[in-house]
Amino acid sequence: EPEVTQTPSHQVTQMGQEVILRCVPISNHLYFYWYRQILGQKVEFLVSFYNNEISEKSEIFDDQFSVERPDGSNFTLKIRSTKLEDSAMYFCARTNEAFFGQGTRLTVV
Amino acid sequence: RKEVEQDPGPFNVPEGATVAFNCTYSNSASQSFFWYRQDCRKEPKLLMSVYSSGNEDGRFTAQLNRASQYISLLIRDSKLSDSATYLCVVNMASGGSYIPTFGRGTSLIVHP
Repeated sequence: EPEVTQTPSHQVTQMGQEVILRCVPISNHLYFYWYRQILGQKVEFLVSFYNNEISEKSEIFDDQFSVERPDGSNFTLKIRSTKLEDSAMYFCARTNEAFFGQGTRLTVV
Repeated sequence: RKEVEQDPGPFNVPEGATVAFNCTYSNSASQSFFWYRQDCRKEPKLLMSVYSSGNEDGRFTAQLNRASQYISLLIRDSKLSDSATYLCVVNMASGGSYIPTFGRGTSLIVHP
């Protein structure tokens, strides 16, 4: 059973639409990370989230991105107005040694 | 200068061979070093952490050379199932904290 479950596994959205990617940890951890991986490229850090606050964020994590832990369990990444270049795999991970979820493949058309 | 550099490969080796990968990093203030493996279109999976004294886990040995700013991974007695992309990850100092920074990965193909 995975440590971290991500939903949906694949999402197709139209450019300009908002998407919400979800991450559900099995155990009650406080520290989480979001990464993305554009097809054929390296994994890139987006943001870390500790105890319901953003701990660190990269240059990629601009105003169109936000993270929340709305119900104390699920952990969401929202992209407000998607662009074609947002198409990628998005991984959630717990702890910095990173048990990764299986990822959400986002396709923006 | 790229922050974390790896030879993309592919390294094409027969079963049973020994293969070594290196990874260099640019920031001498980095701490915490890791090797992950990633299978095609799957999530990265932690293979091992890398400690200053070096560490071994079965057929896998990792080394850290802080002076030269590189880490290495040695795989002995390669198996077909070792075929994957091996990612080097360095927690790089950034404004008082540390950011996980990935290399592009080294592709390994083990053939019969």
